[in-house]
Amino acid sequence: KAGVTQTPRYLIKTRGQQVTLSCSPISGHRSVSWYQQTPGQGLQFLFEYFSETQRNKGNFPGRFSGRQFSNSRSEMNVSTLELGDSALYLCASSQGPPGELFFGEGSRLTVL
Amino acid sequence: GENVEQHPSTLSVQEGDSAVIKCTYSDSASNYFPWYKQELGKGPQLIIDIRSNVGEKKDQRIAVTLNKTAKHFSLHITETQPEDSAVYFCAASPSGGGADGLTFGKGTHLIIQP
Repeated sequence: KAGVTQTPRYLIKTRGQQVTLSCSPISGHRSVSWYQQTPGQGLQFLFEYFSETQRNKGNFPGRFSGRQFSNSRSEMNVSTLELGDSALYLCASSQGPPGELFFGEGSRLTVL
Repeated sequence: GENVEQHPSTLSVQEGDSAVIKCTYSDSASNYFPWYKQELGKGPQLIIDIRSNVGEKKDQRIAVTLNKTAKHFSLHITETQPEDSAVYFCAASPSGGGADGLTFGKGTHLIIQP
């Protein structure tokens, strides 16, 4: 069974640009969550989607958004990038709450 | 919201010895407590979890204990091996890791000395 796949794995952007990250969950998983990981703040919850609906959102500005498609694949978007947005963005999928979260290997974003 | 404190931030033990990592949480509504292991360049991987209706759970060399009254839980690794070297994260959730997401501790860098 294939794991959670995130693309791209690495990307470099400049301040003010926007970025879109993609996540393909494990087959059959309908819940997709996104987390930001930085050395200073650790792992922080961004948002969670289930059956194309965002059910909860963490404490991040509106520049961070996401969506989920009917095949459960998900994308997250960060607009007007800031230096502080440099981080590892992790996607996790689950069959549905409650349930084990399976993480992908992340997309490492560097903002210059 | 939930706040999870994790200690120590770095733990160095001799191969074969035991390692203990401790976490405290603030929200009494939390009922799901997973532990994740993250190796360099990889995403976190669940190694063991416990729910609030259980006080202890064991899986081979790994065990987790939960004290709901004191709001703390611990990870115990016995007979440590070089491959146990990694960063370990504890987490808590009021919804079993679902819609409310997981609140993570800041992590413990476990170093196994040969």
